[in-house]
Amino acid sequence: GEDVEQSLFLSVREGDSSVINCTYTDSSSTYLYWYKQEPGAGLQLLTYIFSNMDMKQDQRLTVLLNKKDKHLSLRIADTQTGDSAIYFCAVLTSGTYKYIFGTGTRLKVLA
Amino acid sequence: GAVVSQHPSWVICKSGTSVKIECRSLDFQATTMFWYRQFPKQSLMLMATSNEGSKATYEQGVEKDKFLINHASLTLSTLTVTSAHPEDSSFYICSARNPSRADTQYFGPGTRLTVL
Repeated sequence: GEDVEQSLFLSVREGDSSVINCTYTDSSSTYLYWYKQEPGAGLQLLTYIFSNMDMKQDQRLTVLLNKKDKHLSLRIADTQTGDSAIYFCAVLTSGTYKYIFGTGTRLKVLA
Repeated sequence: GAVVSQHPSWVICKSGTSVKIECRSLDFQATTMFWYRQFPKQSLMLMATSNEGSKATYEQGVEKDKFLINHASLTLSTLTVTSAHPEDSSFYICSARNPSRADTQYFGPGTRLTVL
């Protein structure tokens, strides 16, 4: 079945850029998503990208998709302390409406 | 973004009792909703897919008689944890699928269940 992996931790200084990476195995995935989860809360949709796109930019967020390598990344420019959270990538499994979630990356922003 | 609410946000119950959690899609009609369970510091585990007007589809290993799902309208799905035990204590999160926006799932704020 589909497998989605992320690194567990990332620590950056306030004002720097953060890059969170995600790899997946199902090459027929159609949509890929990034969500943010703060402690004790649900998941907030940040952005998504269709599989025929290479890049999508939305204010401080840039998503890059390398379909050949099955690699997805989320870049947060000018990272702020309020960006500290867990970030999940999710892949829409082909032929279903189900997501496969990554393991989550805990981002810590140091002041 | 779209709003999905859950109620209650937290609940404490005794072993053997049943608990009902509601998930509402507030600004779009959701024919498909999902129920997840999340253990501390872990990712989300899909429990079941809730389809409006039909039976839910459960993931492997999830007991359908223990976790009853009802999706009676396009804006409401309920999860009932029957005969709850301490091992059912967890964070339960629902989501609603929006087919008109890239099949994006919008998540509720979650329900923290503690079974004593």
